[in-house]
Amino acid sequence: NAGVTQTPKFQVLKTGQSMTLQCAQDMNHEYMSWYRQDPGMGLRLIHYSVGAGITDQGEVPNGYNVSRSTTEDFPLRLLSAAPSQTSVYFCASNSGTGMNTEAFFGQGTRLTVV
Amino acid sequence: AQSVTQPDIHITVSEGASLELRCNYSYGATPYLFWYVQSPGQGLQLLLKYFSGDTLVQGIKGFEAEFKRSQSSFNLRKPSVHWSDAAEYFCAVASSAFSYDKVIFGPGTSLSVIP
Repeated sequence: NAGVTQTPKFQVLKTGQSMTLQCAQDMNHEYMSWYRQDPGMGLRLIHYSVGAGITDQGEVPNGYNVSRSTTEDFPLRLLSAAPSQTSVYFCASNSGTGMNTEAFFGQGTRLTVV
Repeated sequence: AQSVTQPDIHITVSEGASLELRCNYSYGATPYLFWYVQSPGQGLQLLLKYFSGDTLVQGIKGFEAEFKRSQSSFNLRKPSVHWSDAAEYFCAVASSAFSYDKVIFGPGTSLSVIP
């Protein structure tokens, strides 16, 4: 039972480079989201999706793009990496948008932008 | 606006001792409250949640939390800590029962356990 799988686990980018963080879930969950975790700030929502073809912005969306072509996958794209995007990124999925559902988190991607 | 504070950045306890992690929230109406645990190198795992009803909530791994409206608090407790409880703990609050984009996470409390 894989749950939520994120790749890569670690990545170093140079300023201005682009890359895609991958997220896949095998639980047939409709709701998926991306968070960034910074020291002393908890998790902040970047983008989320309530189903295939539907995405919306969270608290800190600037510099990131997402798409949701399938239920299983929800990639996060950094268009032009900046040092301020150095962070740990978590993908999560829920079976629905109701709060009585539980969020399942991936193991995270640690990104460093130099 | 909603906010969550966790006054203790880091706590160290001895194995077998009791534990209380503090969480205070700011929100006008009755909030939906959560505690998550993050073990080293892992994602977050839900420990427990409060939506309504009994203000003392039982969770997994022997944890419980008590909602106190008068103090705007939702403190996490465990009577006897195990070495495997060493982790980062996050309190979270949501204003809506139907939208996860309204969840606000606290900054976290790091727990160390002395054998």
